[in-house]
Amino acid sequence: DVKVTQSSRYLVKRTGEKVFLECVQDMDHENMFWYRQDPGLGLRLIYFSYDVKMKEKGDIPEGYSVSREKKERFSLILESASTNQTSMYLCASSLNEKLFFGSGTQLSVL
Amino acid sequence: GQNIDQPTEMTATEGAIVQINCTYQTSGFNGLFWYQQHAGEAPTFLSYNVLDGLEEKGRFSSFLSRSKGYSYLLLKELQMKDSASYLCAVRPISSGSARQLTFGSGTQLTVLP
Repeated sequence: DVKVTQSSRYLVKRTGEKVFLECVQDMDHENMFWYRQDPGLGLRLIYFSYDVKMKEKGDIPEGYSVSREKKERFSLILESASTNQTSMYLCASSLNEKLFFGSGTQLSVL
Repeated sequence: GQNIDQPTEMTATEGAIVQINCTYQTSGFNGLFWYQQHAGEAPTFLSYNVLDGLEEKGRFSSFLSRSKGYSYLLLKELQMKDSASYLCAVRPISSGSARQLTFGSGTQLTVLP
């Protein structure tokens, strides 16, 4: 079975802090994605990556950056956290059509 | 751009059949997906339709009509464990986004005993 692991299940940070969300997949997938999920808005794509050191903006990249130094690891970075970035963050990887999601990180920015 | 609509909530009774509809408007189309998400858990893949028609997989079936921009997920012999959010997602065709998905807001299904 594919395993997508997100480093933290719950995270509480303060406004202005730099935040790192880590995601690791164990199936050698080329494609990795970061989504955020908010009530009534569904899943929205922040950034994605097709290969190591490659990244592309999704629908809502503002306030975020990403890093993919190794194929199995895709990191989401909040340079200066703000309260409107309080959300559930979901990482996913894919090979062809099917997305495999991690369990999510519930981030609260106070 | 993309627009995906599905009902916010549905309720059904254990043992019954329920149909969850999804309509979409996209700039190009390259497949429609259904995912299931239990509360507090990650979404899991249910089905994928790229051609018109019905795809059946056990108690779950998914239908697609590309000309109408319409899909539905049919759940038969409902069980309590089917209570979850059901997410419709479309993969559009546009430059640099052939493998992205755009998700609807999800339909929260509650199965009552």
